[in-house]
Amino acid sequence: DIQMTQSPSSVSASVGDTVTITCRASQGFSSWLAWYQQKPGKAPTLLIYGASTLQSGVPSRFSGSGSGTDYTLTISRLQPEDFATYYCQQAARFPLTFGGGTKVDSK
Amino acid sequence: QITLKESGPTLVKPTQTLTLTCTFSGFSVTTTGEGVGWFRQPPGKALEWLALLYWDDGERYSPSLSSRLTITQDTSKNQVVLTMTNMDPVDTATYYCAHKEISMDIFDFWGQGTLVTVSS
Repeated sequence: DIQMTQSPSSVSASVGDTVTITCRASQGFSSWLAWYQQKPGKAPTLLIYGASTLQSGVPSRFSGSGSGTDYTLTISRLQPEDFATYYCQQAARFPLTFGGGTKVDSK
Repeated sequence: QITLKESGPTLVKPTQTLTLTCTFSGFSVTTTGEGVGWFRQPPGKALEWLALLYWDDGERYSPSLSSRLTITQDTSKNQVVLTMTNMDPVDTATYYCAHKEISMDIFDFWGQGTLVTVSS
């Protein structure tokens, strides 16, 4: 299985800050990675796929990058609605696996 | 517009079989590239993938749960059904179904989820 290790597990930030979340895979792969946002009591929503492609309707302050084993989600100019938990998911090999999540909360 | 909704029991007893139904609209699971996945999330924990059904009837399962899972479809009703046998309290979680994006095994539309509690 490909293990996905997210860091940090939580981060406190203020509106307007830039937040960076990292996902490290136990085996390298070529961009088969997605990022999701999840708010309490809600289903996940897709933000980015293919490591860097923004899903339709997602604000451009979200961006993704990376390849091989290291992937990054960056939230620029953090907005109040961005406080949530974020997950990465690899789609390179079965079983599909998620990172442990990163909670972004208000400082 | 793609929508999905999970339905099923909210409470099951240990050793029972759980049957969850995902009723969807806005796509056909028989169209090339389409698929429906099932996931779960124990309270306060991370997401876990369970199973995936492809447009060509292909099925994939989480190896750790494969002996307990079956995913099927009823195309006439636009439904995908997940059964999980021998339920245990550790299976208590919110269960989600989701639409697979056409080009890769990631999920662009999700149901609202349904909380299943396993308790005697």
